[in-house]
Amino acid sequence: GQQVMQIPQYQHVQEGEDFTTYCNSSTTLSNIQWYKQRPGGHPVFLIQLVKSGEVKKQKRLTFQFGEAKKNSSLHITATQTTDVGTYFCAGDNAGNMLTFGGGTRLMVKP
Amino acid sequence: DTEVTQTPKHLVMGMTNKKSLKCEQHMGHRAMYWYKQKAKKPPELMFVYSYEKLSINESVPSRFSPECPNSSLLNLHLHALQPEDSALYLCASSPPTGTNTEAFFGQGTRLTVV
Repeated sequence: GQQVMQIPQYQHVQEGEDFTTYCNSSTTLSNIQWYKQRPGGHPVFLIQLVKSGEVKKQKRLTFQFGEAKKNSSLHITATQTTDVGTYFCAGDNAGNMLTFGGGTRLMVKP
Repeated sequence: DTEVTQTPKHLVMGMTNKKSLKCEQHMGHRAMYWYKQKAKKPPELMFVYSYEKLSINESVPSRFSPECPNSSLLNLHLHALQPEDSALYLCASSPPTGTNTEAFFGQGTRLTVV
């Protein structure tokens, strides 16, 4: 079955430093989605990438979808304490079924 | 209204109890999902309903029984659970097909089986 791997598992950064999490799927995806889950909270949708090589930005967040539609990354510039949480990628194989990566837990030291 | 509402927020039940988790959305989404999430793990898909019909059952034990009474409601009936079933149970909804398939998650029910 489809597998989605995500690295790193954890990342500690000083406030103001950049952060990147990487996602890799064992199969070609229809689209990839990114979610953020705050401690004690539920996953909240951030973005969906559909096209090969797509790049999207949301303020300090930059999302990329690989040319082969099998990998993706999320980069946060100049982290803030409000960025704390676990970031999940989720691969959609166009079958109404999201497969989540293991998540990257981001901790930001003020 | 872009919310998915789950009740109860917390539930403690014994292994012989029968309980139900409820989920409601009014976004007109025709796909609804149940996920199970253990601490520090990603959500794991349990069931998918598409147009009120069960379309995916990810080999979930029969002690979990889903029900979709109508396009806005989703239930998860629990019976004879085990302590290892303790987890956060998340409901989600999304448009079933098309360009935008983002999932809207409810706040979850934190279940403890004693």
